[in-house]
Amino acid sequence: NAGVTQTPKFQVLKTGQSMTLQCAQDMNHEYMSWYRQDPGMGLRLIHYSVGAGITDQGEVPNGYNVSRSTTEDFPLRLLSAAPSQTSVYFCASRPSGSDRVTQYFGPGTRLTVL
Amino acid sequence: GESVGLHLPTLSVQEGDNSIINCAYSNSASDYFIWYKQESGKGPQFIIDIRSNMDKRQGQRVTVLLNKTVKHLSLQIAATQPGDSAVYFCAENMDGGSQGNLIFGKGTKLSVKP
Repeated sequence: NAGVTQTPKFQVLKTGQSMTLQCAQDMNHEYMSWYRQDPGMGLRLIHYSVGAGITDQGEVPNGYNVSRSTTEDFPLRLLSAAPSQTSVYFCASRPSGSDRVTQYFGPGTRLTVL
Repeated sequence: GESVGLHLPTLSVQEGDNSIINCAYSNSASDYFIWYKQESGKGPQFIIDIRSNMDKRQGQRVTVLLNKTVKHLSLQIAATQPGDSAVYFCAENMDGGSQGNLIFGKGTKLSVKP
């Protein structure tokens, strides 16, 4: 299994541009999530999904959209990039049908908005 | 603000010594805690987890202790090695397991001196 994969690894955007961060997992995990990590801070939850067709907001959802059309993929869309969205973005997943909530993370996408 | 925090932002230890990384949490309803290790440029990597009905759990060279009375969590690393140098995050589950969303602390940077 490749686990959780994310593309691209690095991205530079100009203010106002839009883009999609890709996340995929091949472990048949129902739960997937997106976090952002800023310097000196822990990870903050942006959006999450408990299964295909179901998404919900996390702690910092503004400026981001998600969709979950398949179990494998959970893309994160920036509608109109702002410098405040400069961050490292991590996607994570965990299996369903388990009482453990440990999530497994991808390698991250480092985004810079100029 | 975040309910999960860390007592020390940095920790420096000698190779071969034991390391103790601490974490405080504020939500007595949290029922699941996880420690992650994050190396530079990588995503968080699962180390060990513990349920609130336990006070100790051991893994390979790592032990997690949970003190619910004072809402304190610690990660002990035995015989610390240079490869243990990383930022360590604690995380708690505040949904009672229904969604599995995690709240992360800000992290402690562990440096191992040869």
